Amino acid sequence: QKEVEQNSGPLSVPEGAIASLNCTYSDRVSQSFFWYRQYSGKSPELIMSIYSNGDKEDGRFTAQLNKASQYVSLLIRDSQPSDSATYLCAVRGNYGQNFVFGPGTRLSVLP
Amino acid sequence: EAGVAQSPRYKIIEKRQSVAFWCNPISGHATLYWYQQILGQGPKLLIQFQNNGVVDDSQLPKDRFSAERLKGVDSTLKIQPAKLEDSAVYLCASSLVRRTSGRVSSYNEQFFGPGTRLTVL
Repeated sequence: QKEVEQNSGPLSVPEGAIASLNCTYSDRVSQSFFWYRQYSGKSPELIMSIYSNGDKEDGRFTAQLNKASQYVSLLIRDSQPSDSATYLCAVRGNYGQNFVFGPGTRLSVLP
Repeated sequence: EAGVAQSPRYKIIEKRQSVAFWCNPISGHATLYWYQQILGQGPKLLIQFQNNGVVDDSQLPKDRFSAERLKGVDSTLKIQPAKLEDSAVYLCASSLVRRTSGRVSSYNEQFFGPGTRLTVL
């Protein structure tokens, strides 16, 4: 049974700071990694996807992947109160395999 | 491009009653997923379809849950009879999967509908 783990939080950071969200996964053959943002009462919204070791940047967001350590992270630079949400890490194996979601980390950005 | 559509948005039923949810995926997306998200938890996959075939239903409680996607487009998820612990948000998602030269491409992100919030009393 594949597992994805995240700290449940809440993670509180001041406005303008860097928020660092972490995720570990158990299935070594996992190929695709995703970060979703979920506001309270809303459905998950895709923020980033990453497939290769290293960093991937998109605006204020940077995803980092280390397959050897089975670890993926999301950095949010210049955090804004509007970034306050639950961040879900999702992992997928090869083609046709399903997504496994972590429990999510609740982020609170304080004005 | 229209997103994933779901209905109803909210449903309140009593235990032992039946309920059905409907989902229409993004046009052209062959893969459709149903998830259950209990408050405070991440989404849990119930069933995954590829066109009108089931790819994975290992976590679907088959004694009470059923799902179908007869024409490979929209899908329904049914619960019969409902239990108190079925209270959750039921999310439908779809994805467009494309392989290039045998490797996973960047087109396997999944997109979620607004969900149906089910309350079982």
